[in-house]
Amino acid sequence: DTGVSQDPRHKITKRGQNVTFRCDPISEHNRLYWYRQTLGQGPEFLTYFQNEAQLEKSRLLSDRFSAERPKGSFSTLEIQRTEQGDSAMYLCAGSRGGNQPQHFGDGTRLSIL
Amino acid sequence: DQQVKQNSPSLSVQEGRISILNCDYTNSMFDYFLWYKKYPAEGPTFLISISSIKDKNEDGRFTVFLNKSAKHLSLHIVPSQPGDSAVYFCAATGSARQLTFGSGTQLTVLP
Repeated sequence: DTGVSQDPRHKITKRGQNVTFRCDPISEHNRLYWYRQTLGQGPEFLTYFQNEAQLEKSRLLSDRFSAERPKGSFSTLEIQRTEQGDSAMYLCAGSRGGNQPQHFGDGTRLSIL
Repeated sequence: DQQVKQNSPSLSVQEGRISILNCDYTNSMFDYFLWYKKYPAEGPTFLISISSIKDKNEDGRFTVFLNKSAKHLSLHIVPSQPGDSAVYFCAATGSARQLTFGSGTQLTVLP
């Protein structure tokens, strides 16, 4: 058990709808990362937070994606106007920073109808 | 542009034998490398890591070797056990600490 929980585990929605995912790391995880994984590929970096500050965003993160980490604890990832290509597993990871490894939650699987 | 490559999508090994999983990278700025194991319907689980200042790190049955000149790393599992059957991902990171993953290798350990 990595201590990182994600909710929901599965989300099915129609194209064009907005969706929001939540990630709860353990309190020691001052860094929080979001990744996206599609079938047959490794996870791809989306964005990361140092406490409440969003420090880096991938070019994969289009304007329809927004992430927050208020108070440096839990984080949310919102996708607006979902598209078929957004179907993927969305993974959250927490770490203590430095060279400490990232520990992943079990992900939210998004399916767009 | 795949900066981290795992060229073997699958590997089968007999129980008790050694499993060797390979990974190549292209970005010279990577200075820290990790291996993760993933079971179906679960997130990746951290296994072992190595800093670029070392060439070997060992943890129980798992050993990671790093060859910086060849930009190559490998994970050795010995002895292999059926419970080791999973997808193994190699990952690398630089100063930004975001992970760049390979596409994974499905390891099957046959009883």
